[in-house]
Order: sequence, then C-alpha cells, then structure tokens
Amino acid sequence: QVQLVQSGGEVKKPGASVKVSCKASGYTFTNFGISWVRQAPGQGLEWMGWISTYTGNTNYAQKSQGRVTLTTDTSTSTAYMDLRSLRSDDTAMYYCARGELPDPFDIWGQGTMVTVSS
Amino acid sequence: YVLTQSPSVSVAPGQTAIITCGGSDIGSKGVHWYQQRPGQAPVLVISYDGDRPSGIPERFSGSNSGNTATLTISRVEAGDEADYFCQVWNSGTDHYVFGTGTTVTVL
Repeated sequence: QVQLVQSGGEVKKPGASVKVSCKASGYTFTNFGISWVRQAPGQGLEWMGWISTYTGNTNYAQKSQGRVTLTTDTSTSTAYMDLRSLRSDDTAMYYCARGELPDPFDIWGQGTMVTVSS
Repeated sequence: YVLTQSPSVSVAPGQTAIITCGGSDIGSKGVHWYQQRPGQAPVLVISYDGDRPSGIPERFSGSNSGNTATLTISRVEAGDEADYFCQVWNSGTDHYVFGTGTTVTVL
C-alpha cells in the first residue's frame, strides 16, 4: 500500500544537527512532491518546506530558511530533512507528507520525534 | 496570512459538530481539513473546500465562503474525537498555512 515510513526518534544537544528520512513505497516516488511539517508538544502544525522529487526544486517556509535543507534520493525513494543549529524550541514531532504544490497532503509519515536537550 | 480556529468544540454523540476557520477572503482559496487523533499523524478528511478523499465517511462535509470556511461533522461518533486543522495555500507567499486547530470533544 501507499505509505511513507520515517526514521526513528532522535535526541540531540543544542547546536547539533539532525537528519530525518522518509521512505516512500507503493507509488512512483517522482510523481509527487514531499512536504515537511512539524508539531511542537501540545501545539499546532507548522509547514517547513517542500521538495519536488522530480526536479529537486525546493520551497522553504520563511522560518526554515538557512537552517533546513531538503533533499531526495530517487534511487531509494527517500526524502530527507536536515535541520542544523538545533535549539530547544526545535523539540517537536516531524512529519513528511506527500503532495504537489498547491495540493493538500494525502499521505503522511508516522512522524519522527526530535528532542533537543542538553 | 493567519487562519483562526476556535480552540475547542464539545458535542454529544449523534449531534452535529461545526468547526470554523477564519481568514481574510478565505473564500477565494481552496481549504483543506485534517483530522489528528491523539498520538497519530494527521489524516486528510476534506480537500478543496468540500471534496472527501476515498474512505472518509459522508458525515464529513465542508464549505467555504467570504472570510470563513466550515467543516461539519454530522452524527458525531466517539471516534471523531480529535484535533482538526484547516490549511490553505497562500499564493501571495507561495507557502502553506495551517489553522490554529480545534479540539473536538465527544461528550
């Protein structure tokens, strides 16, 4: 079936980097873009950015500019989100989700918890 | 661009839950709605104002006009207890925006 499976939870210290993966299966990876969305504990959803799995073009939310890099590996149907210079307020569940701009997200990964703590 | 939702809605089983999403001239945008049950990833329940994805019950419906979009859940069941988020594509910034979220409690 169509699914996105994300990598496991991470615990990082402030200032470190984290790279979360999102492996697609059940469909042609390059037919749909991938967005990344995060959710701090008890808070709402925040869109971080989008990547075209076909061209590699990216669209970052203003808040993500400079600290977030989105990439893909089409040979393994995997998308990646790299977040640098981690701060405590980056502690959140991070989701990948399928969708072309400006369409909605019809498939979501299960989420990856990233905890930033000294 | 800001999307404002009321924080919570309480409804008895079998009744109707109405969830609103306010935004400037939101009626000119396509609104999507997501359901997020506790501890789970969001699920798309309504796309482009009123379209139901495959597998979503007919009890879920949506509308959008003026400055308010609405998600209506008819004949509410215990399993509908969840957070609901609206979303739009803001063409002014070419970014997605999510609403603040509404918690639906089934009494």
